[in-house]
Amino acid sequence: ETGVTQSPTHLIKTRGQQVTLRCSSQSGHNTVSWYQQALGQGPQFIFQYYREEENGRGNFPPRFSGLQFPNYSSELNVNALELDDSALYLCASSTQGQGSVLTFGAGSRLTVL
Amino acid sequence: AQSVSQHNHHVILSEAASLELGCNYSYGGTVNLFWYVQYPGQHLQLLLKYFSGDPLVKGIKGFEAEFIKSKFSFNLRKPSVQWSDTAEYFCAVNGDGGYQKVTFGTGTKLQVIP
Repeated sequence: ETGVTQSPTHLIKTRGQQVTLRCSSQSGHNTVSWYQQALGQGPQFIFQYYREEENGRGNFPPRFSGLQFPNYSSELNVNALELDDSALYLCASSTQGQGSVLTFGAGSRLTVL
Repeated sequence: AQSVSQHNHHVILSEAASLELGCNYSYGGTVNLFWYVQYPGQHLQLLLKYFSGDPLVKGIKGFEAEFIKSKFSFNLRKPSVQWSDTAEYFCAVNGDGGYQKVTFGTGTKLQVIP
């Protein structure tokens, strides 16, 4: 089975710019969650997508948005980048239901200058 | 709201020493509990999980964790660590909130000295 793949692995942006991060879910998984991991912190839940709709959201502003496509892949978009957005962005795929487990990708390292 | 607290930020052990990493969670309902590990240069991967049943769960590489409901704890243990256990360990909780919001602790960096 293929795992979760994310792109790009690293990118550098400047304040005010917009960024799109991409994620392909593991085969057999229909749910994608995005997390932000700042340096020295644990992953923070941004939002989750299921059936191409946002299925739950953490404490992140609306400039963080996402999409899920029919093949279950997903995008994370961040507008009006701020310095504090510098972090590792993790995508995790899973199935629905309480018995499922998140499978993580390697992440996209975003640096905002 | 659910939350997770990990007591140790950085632990240094010699090989063959025993390990116990503390984790406490806050949530009023039924929970699923996890330990994830991140080895240097690798992505987060599941070490073990508790959904229901036997509160003592065994994971990969000789790790185990015990769910103590009365203490809201889910401590990770290993009787004898190896140099290859050097990694960052994250405790996580998923409450019965209707969707899979998994809340992670801040992590514990374990350094095992040969």
